[in-house]
Amino acid sequence: EAGVTQFPSHSVIEKGQTVTLRCDPISGHDNLYWYRRVMGKEIKFLLHFVKESKQDESGMPNNRFLAERTGGTYSTLKVQPAELEDSGVYFCASSQYGRGRGGYTFGSGTRLTVV
Amino acid sequence: AQSVTQLGSHVSVSEGALVLLRCNYSSSVPPYLFWYVQYPNQGLQLLLKYTSAATLVKGINGFEAEFKKSETSFHLTKPSAHMSDAAEYFCAVSETNFGNEKLTFGTGTRLTIIP
Repeated sequence: EAGVTQFPSHSVIEKGQTVTLRCDPISGHDNLYWYRRVMGKEIKFLLHFVKESKQDESGMPNNRFLAERTGGTYSTLKVQPAELEDSGVYFCASSQYGRGRGGYTFGSGTRLTVV
Repeated sequence: AQSVTQLGSHVSVSEGALVLLRCNYSSSVPPYLFWYVQYPNQGLQLLLKYTSAATLVKGINGFEAEFKKSETSFHLTKPSAHMSDAAEYFCAVSETNFGNEKLTFGTGTRLTIIP
């Protein structure tokens, strides 16, 4: 089966610009998660979708971040306007079962650099 | 609330030597525990997971981990290090109560193998 696909793999934008990251989960996985790793720190949870609904968005840093999952398939994470501190690697993960019983499959990540 | 502590941000071992990466967790309910590995320029790959079955968990590439409730630990071991094991390793915890499914990661341990 195809894995979790993220694109772009790298993005360099200027402060104040808008960037949209995309994640295609494994087909049939209702659960989709976004995580972020900033500057060598720990990987932190951003939010969790179950199908098209936001189950938990407690990790979203502020209202400059908007995540969507139209039709319960792929998801996008938009940052508008981007700030320097948004630089980092954004990971997407999906799982078939809730509560991590089956493990989470992660994508390769999008490395975002804001200059 | 859940948390993970990984002792040692950098660990170096000689090729053929024992690999021991330490992970301690904190969780208010019985946890699910995971080890992920990130090879250079790749995404996070699941090494192994503990989901309340056998306390000694075997994973891919010869790695294993033992869940010790009394010590709140989930250390990762491999009897004989190989050059290909050089990577960054992340321990993560997920609580088992419904509705709280996010992974909480440790800060990661970068493993270097000395020829």
